[in-house]
Amino acid sequence: NAGVTQTPKFRILKIGQSMTLQCTQDMNHNYMYWYRQDPGMGLKLIYYSVGAGITDKGEVPNGYNVSRSTTEDFPLRLELAAPSQTSVYFCASSAGTGSNQPQHFGDGTRLSIL
Amino acid sequence: KNQVEQSPQSLIILEGKNCTLQCNYTVSPFSNLRWYKQDTGRGPVSLTIMTFSENTKSNGRYTATLDADTKQSSLHITASQLSDSASYICVVSARNNNDMRFGAGTRLTVKP
Repeated sequence: NAGVTQTPKFRILKIGQSMTLQCTQDMNHNYMYWYRQDPGMGLKLIYYSVGAGITDKGEVPNGYNVSRSTTEDFPLRLELAAPSQTSVYFCASSAGTGSNQPQHFGDGTRLSIL
Repeated sequence: KNQVEQSPQSLIILEGKNCTLQCNYTVSPFSNLRWYKQDTGRGPVSLTIMTFSENTKSNGRYTATLDADTKQSSLHITASQLSDSASYICVVSARNNNDMRFGAGTRLTVKP
């Protein structure tokens, strides 16, 4: 059972480059999320989606874009990479937001912008 | 502002000992509180989820408590094992929206 799969696991970008972080889940979850985790800080929500075709901004959306064309996939796009975007990015999914519906996380993408 | 504060930042204990991690929050109105375990280099994994009406919930050697009046939660680990070495993250959700606030975590190291 794959759960939530993120690719790539590691990436180094130059300032100004663009890239897409991939996330796919095989649990047929409607809800999907993108977080960033910086050292010593709690995870911050970048974007989330409550179903295919629906996305919304989280706490720190600037510099990122998302799309949700299918239930399974929720890619995160960085258009003009900046050093401040160096972080570990986690994708998560859940069946809902209720108390019996935990989020399932991928193992992260470690991104460095130089 | 909705906040989640965890203490201590880090903790070292000997294998077999018990420990308790703390989580204080100001998130309002409260919906639920979750504890996650995050191994180094991995994503967080859910341990427990508690709603307003639940005071305690166990998952094996992990027992979470919640005092919604004082807005405090604790995670108690019994008879620690080397595999318990990880970061433990407290997450509090507000009612009627998708606002989930993550604590910075407690880094637990269990030594033989």
